[in-house]
Amino acid sequence: GQNIDQPTEMTATEGAIVQINCTYQTSGFNGLFWYQQHAGEAPTFLSYNVLDGLEEKGRFSSFLSRSKGYSYLLLKELQMKDSASYLCAVRDTQEDTGRRALTFGSGTRLQVQP
Amino acid sequence: DSGVTQTPKHLITATGQRVTLRCSPRSGDLSVYWYQQSLDQGLQFLIQYYNGEERAKGNILERFSAQQFPDLHSELNLSSLELGDSALYFCASSGGTAGGTNEQFFGPGTRLTVL
Repeated sequence: GQNIDQPTEMTATEGAIVQINCTYQTSGFNGLFWYQQHAGEAPTFLSYNVLDGLEEKGRFSSFLSRSKGYSYLLLKELQMKDSASYLCAVRDTQEDTGRRALTFGSGTRLQVQP
Repeated sequence: DSGVTQTPKHLITATGQRVTLRCSPRSGDLSVYWYQQSLDQGLQFLIQYYNGEERAKGNILERFSAQQFPDLHSELNLSSLELGDSALYFCASSGGTAGGTNEQFFGPGTRLTVL
């Protein structure tokens, strides 16, 4: 099975930088995803890491350490619209069945304050 | 707009009833996934289909079933509904090919309320 942990809530100030951590335990690791979800809306894809290191995409970056079972999402130059839940999700792939479902953490609710 | 469509957007029904939720994946995507998200809960994986065949099962109750049709749209059937089944039900699709990111694209969800 899989176990994914991330903080429940975080608060940050507009213009600042915030780091959201995620730790996981899984077998057959085949990628870690970060999604953003505004209340009542669909999750939207932010980033993907399968190899160790940092992936940068505009104001958002994501880091992965497979040996530590650890990832973080870094949000820079925070804007009010960044207030949302951020979901860490791990994929394990069973090659014999083609199973590629994601296991999601409970999400981190980020509140950006003026 | 992710390209994944779900109908209906909202559904209100009574306990004991049966409902069907519908999902059309993005054009070209072969994999369809169903998730349940209860209030203040994370996304719970229910079931995955790939090109018409069931590929993986998650925490799906026996009262729930799903299928994927030849045109690749999928339906999730929920029967003998209970109050606790009230939730947002999301469908997602992905390319399902080996390698690559294969991120899942989520539909707008169906909000089910059981009274």
